[in-house]
Amino acid sequence: ETGVTQTPRHLVMGMTNKKSLKCEQHLGHNAMYWYKQSAKKPLELMFVYSLEERVENNSVPSRFSPECPNSSHLFLHLHTLQPEDSALYLCASSKTGTSGGASNTGELFFGEGSRLTVL
Amino acid sequence: RKEVEQDPGPFNVPEGATVAFNCTYSNSASQSFFWYRQDCRKEPKLLMSVYSSGNEDGRFTAQLNRASQYISLLIRDSKLSDSATYLCVVIPRSMDTGRRALTFGSGTRLQVQP
Repeated sequence: ETGVTQTPRHLVMGMTNKKSLKCEQHLGHNAMYWYKQSAKKPLELMFVYSLEERVENNSVPSRFSPECPNSSHLFLHLHTLQPEDSALYLCASSKTGTSGGASNTGELFFGEGSRLTVL
Repeated sequence: RKEVEQDPGPFNVPEGATVAFNCTYSNSASQSFFWYRQDCRKEPKLLMSVYSSGNEDGRFTAQLNRASQYISLLIRDSKLSDSATYLCVVIPRSMDTGRRALTFGSGTRLQVQP
């Protein structure tokens, strides 16, 4: 059983809908990530939160809005998405160094992902 | 040039075969390297770190060649259960705290056949 849980596992939404993806980690980590995985493409880093502060935003369109209320929870709010946004959205967590930032030992623990289909 | 590049495969090999994958990276200042494994419709999981001196874990051997900017993964005595996609991962060296997140390759698919 993964220490990172994501809900929902599957989501179908229209382009005008507003929905949210949720991620929760039970590992005591202090950094959390959103990645997007599309078919035949590498995992694309979207957002990084370290010590609840956003430290990276990889030029993601504003229709994706992250929220990290505490070190255990991460949300991705979705609004007016496009069909090309259909993908697997993976949440991950890691333990960072005491100086914060996103440096880590290289071990990310991933959730099982939320498969999003935008009609 | 992509930051991290891998041959997508698939590599189709018989059980018991030895297979090797390479992964090239473009940032010569890259700091840390890893191999992850991703099973079909599952999340990626860390397989092993790649150290400068090379490292071995059972049937798996990982090596780093900084001069040519590539890492490799060698799997000996392939098992059916080794069938998966193997992702090359690089952490860039940067003082910018926001840029130390992992960069993934697109993966190499391995299919071990009976």
